[in-house]
Amino acid sequence: DGGITQSPKYLFRKEGQNVTLSCEQNLNHDAMYWYRQDPGQGLRLIYYSQIVNDFQKGDIAEGYSVSREKKESFPLTVTSAQKNPTAFYLCASSSGTFSTSGPEAFFGQGTRLTVV
Amino acid sequence: QQPVQSPQAVILREGEDAVINCSSSKALYSVHWYRQKHGEAPVFLMILLKGGEQKGHDKISASFNEKKQQSSLYLTASQLSYSGTYFCGTGTEMNRDDKIIFGKGTRLHILP
Repeated sequence: DGGITQSPKYLFRKEGQNVTLSCEQNLNHDAMYWYRQDPGQGLRLIYYSQIVNDFQKGDIAEGYSVSREKKESFPLTVTSAQKNPTAFYLCASSSGTFSTSGPEAFFGQGTRLTVV
Repeated sequence: QQPVQSPQAVILREGEDAVINCSSSKALYSVHWYRQKHGEAPVFLMILLKGGEQKGHDKISASFNEKKQQSSLYLTASQLSYSGTYFCGTGTEMNRDDKIIFGKGTRLHILP
């Protein structure tokens, strides 16, 4: 079955450590996205990528980094520079020009990151 | 830049109607609607593109007024399964670059 998979589902991190969240899709989608979700804040865009080896910052990119070496994969690293990393992280993918032509985005089940 | 959704939350009884609004301070090219149930991934409902269109399936429909830079989602004869948080996402004229900005969401709770 085609879909988008995020792992792990729950992640605990000590302060000062970097941690990488995995996002894999087998939908052959060009575009991939990372959103952060906090209670009452909606979905805030961290990074997005339209093609392999290219990505753009979203509204809250500080303290995060990404890579897009393969079409199927878009890992997100939460660095120690992120001051408040505890949140629910959602990865999404879409087949084309997301904002203009309207292919739907498929979301993963999310990773809940907790800093301890 | 984040679109504003209203109301923030609404409680209805099964069979009642609901309207969720989404407005932007910027000229819009597209509006996307998603529903998220607690602990689950958001699920696509529909997208409306510039042109002032309306769309709908089953008892959920939406309109897009580009002049007013707003969209409304209509849920008629609500069912228990409609409960969840509804998000609108907007694509603006200034950045047709696959960047969608989502609102803070509207929590909908349907009572039996």
